[in-house]
Amino acid sequence: SQTIHQWPATLVQPVGSPLSLECTVEGTSNPNLYWYRQAAGRGLQLLFYSVGIGQISSEVPQNLSASRPQDRQFILSSKKLLLSDSGFYLCAWSVLGQNQPQHFGDGTRLSIL
Amino acid sequence: GEDVEQSLFLSVREGDSSVINCTYTDSSSTYLYWYKQEPGAGLQLLTYIFSNMDMKQDQRLTVLLNKKDKHLSLRIADTQTGDSAIYFCAETTAHDYKLSFGAGTTVTVRA
Repeated sequence: SQTIHQWPATLVQPVGSPLSLECTVEGTSNPNLYWYRQAAGRGLQLLFYSVGIGQISSEVPQNLSASRPQDRQFILSSKKLLLSDSGFYLCAWSVLGQNQPQHFGDGTRLSIL
Repeated sequence: GEDVEQSLFLSVREGDSSVINCTYTDSSSTYLYWYKQEPGAGLQLLTYIFSNMDMKQDQRLTVLLNKKDKHLSLRIADTQTGDSAIYFCAETTAHDYKLSFGAGTTVTVRA
């Protein structure tokens, strides 16, 4: 069966510090991978998605970037965090292609001080 | 998710049925999903329905889709305390990879 792992589960970072959140998927090949952010009391906003190694699409302009160095690894990064980057970050995967159900990791709670 | 709207809160007595409603605007929606999020956790896919279906039933869950009115509902029969969570409606369209989410409905089950 397929599993998705995100770490860390929680993170507290000062303003201006760098960020690296990691997500890995097991039990499948060539998945679509996604990064979402969930603000308090709101739905999920898609930040990035990837249909293959090195292929990243950005949905919204922001202070963050994403990379996919391996087929089942998706990394969310920032060089200098802002207060507004606080939130709950969720990684998801789906079978390759459009209109596929997405399956989510347990999320990373990021607090910026 | 301004394209997908849900009521924010629902309170239901244990043992009763819960009905969570969702409206969407994109007529080209192909799949519609219901996800459950428990406190501090990720999203769990509960069920989904293809846009050419009217209804889908899976144990205690019943999804109804009115494509004409662009209205989706999730009915939970015999609601239990473990059903307390935030429920998200989401849609995807034929020409897109992303899911568009509603803001979520917080369901509280009272004894």
